[in-house]
Amino acid sequence: GAVVSQHPSWVICKSGTSVKIECRSLDFQATTMFWYRQFPKQSLMLMATSNEGSKATYEQGVEKDKFLINHASLTLSTLTVTSAHPEDSSFYICSARDGEGPRKDYGYTFGSGTRLTVV
Amino acid sequence: DQQVKQNSPSLSVQEGRISILNCDYTNSMFDYFLWYKKYPAEGPTFLISISSIKDKNEDGRFTVFLNKSAKHLSLHIVPSQPGDSAVYFCAASGGTDKLIFGTGTRLQVFP
Repeated sequence: GAVVSQHPSWVICKSGTSVKIECRSLDFQATTMFWYRQFPKQSLMLMATSNEGSKATYEQGVEKDKFLINHASLTLSTLTVTSAHPEDSSFYICSARDGEGPRKDYGYTFGSGTRLTVV
Repeated sequence: DQQVKQNSPSLSVQEGRISILNCDYTNSMFDYFLWYKKYPAEGPTFLISISSIKDKNEDGRFTVFLNKSAKHLSLHIVPSQPGDSAVYFCAASGGTDKLIFGTGTRLQVFP
């Protein structure tokens, strides 16, 4: 089945630095990838939709200059948290849409997530 | 505004019995609903889905029911097993690629 690899699985960084998270579709091409954020005991909140070869579409309230998304190829999207602060500490998850995937699961495959801790 | 809600943050069920997880939505444009299972520090894994043109979909121990007039769906797990213990999210989509997730219900199945 479709596999999405997300790296790193966890990262600790100092306040003010930037962190890059990678999301790769391993066995399919994904023209669209999604980035979510989850706070403890809360829902997965969609941050942005990443489109290959074009600018990402950000959800309301998400700072595009702080959360830079690049979807340079059909198998890779990156999320860079710039000038990270402790309030950015969260669990970030990506998902990719396999256009050839079965309709029954809408073709979404999720990465394993990245735990970001800003100290 | 929370378009997809799971009002029960947690549920505890004895092994072998039925688990019923509920989900309500407000957007009548949603036409596809999915249930995901999630363990801590992992991404969600797909369980079962249902189109708005149906009112029931079954896959092994999992059955999803959809009541469009009430904007309500539920996931039934029968029989419940200890390995089912996880957080369950319902999600909805309406004409776009975006999935809107509910707040999650933590299911604990005890022996």
